[in-house]
Amino acid sequence: GAGVSQSPSNKVTEKGKDVELRCDPISGHTALYWYRQRLGQGLEFLIYFQGNSAPDKSGLPSDRFSAERTGESVSTLTIQRTQQEDSAVYLCASSTSPYNEQFFGPGTRLTVL
Amino acid sequence: GENVEQHPSTLSVQEGDSAVIKCTYSDSASNYFPWYKQELGKRPQLIIDIRSNVGEKKDQRIAVTLNKTAKHFSLHITETQPEDSAVYFCAASDVFRGGGGGADGLTFGKGTHLIIQP
Repeated sequence: GAGVSQSPSNKVTEKGKDVELRCDPISGHTALYWYRQRLGQGLEFLIYFQGNSAPDKSGLPSDRFSAERTGESVSTLTIQRTQQEDSAVYLCASSTSPYNEQFFGPGTRLTVL
Repeated sequence: GENVEQHPSTLSVQEGDSAVIKCTYSDSASNYFPWYKQELGKRPQLIIDIRSNVGEKKDQRIAVTLNKTAKHFSLHITETQPEDSAVYFCAASDVFRGGGGGADGLTFGKGTHLIIQP
């Protein structure tokens, strides 16, 4: 079946602009996660959605970052007033529950000039 | 919050030899420990995971051990092959932290670049 998809695959933006990144999880997966991976670095947790519960935003690095999820489907990660340090690959993952394997999407490579 | 340390950052072994990657974690409440493999330019993929009610798990050439007392867990790859070359990430999570509806995402180590020498 279809895996996790993300769009766009690449995004180049100018400093100060807002960007929206999209994630389509695997159908039926109630848990959805966003991570950030800087070049050559590990994965940094950003935010977690589980069903209709309030999201865990504990990993968001600043108030310029926000995310929404419609029910148990699509999620969007929004970065306002982008900075050069926001340049990274943003990975989305979904799972059937928080105790099970997370399946990752291909990521969105964000470059802030 | 949780802090995961991973060592070594780079590991080079001869093809056919074994490789061991070690991780420590700080939060004694963590109870789920997956390992991900990430090939260059690709997404991370789960290779094995262990939960805190077991001490060891094996899947063909890959095994993971967990020592909850010492708060460390290790990945063991035997009879390494060229296709094992990749970056490996350990992670930890307390999936039942509760507190109104959610557990944190995984806390990842910084990764180990495994190089298999022919």
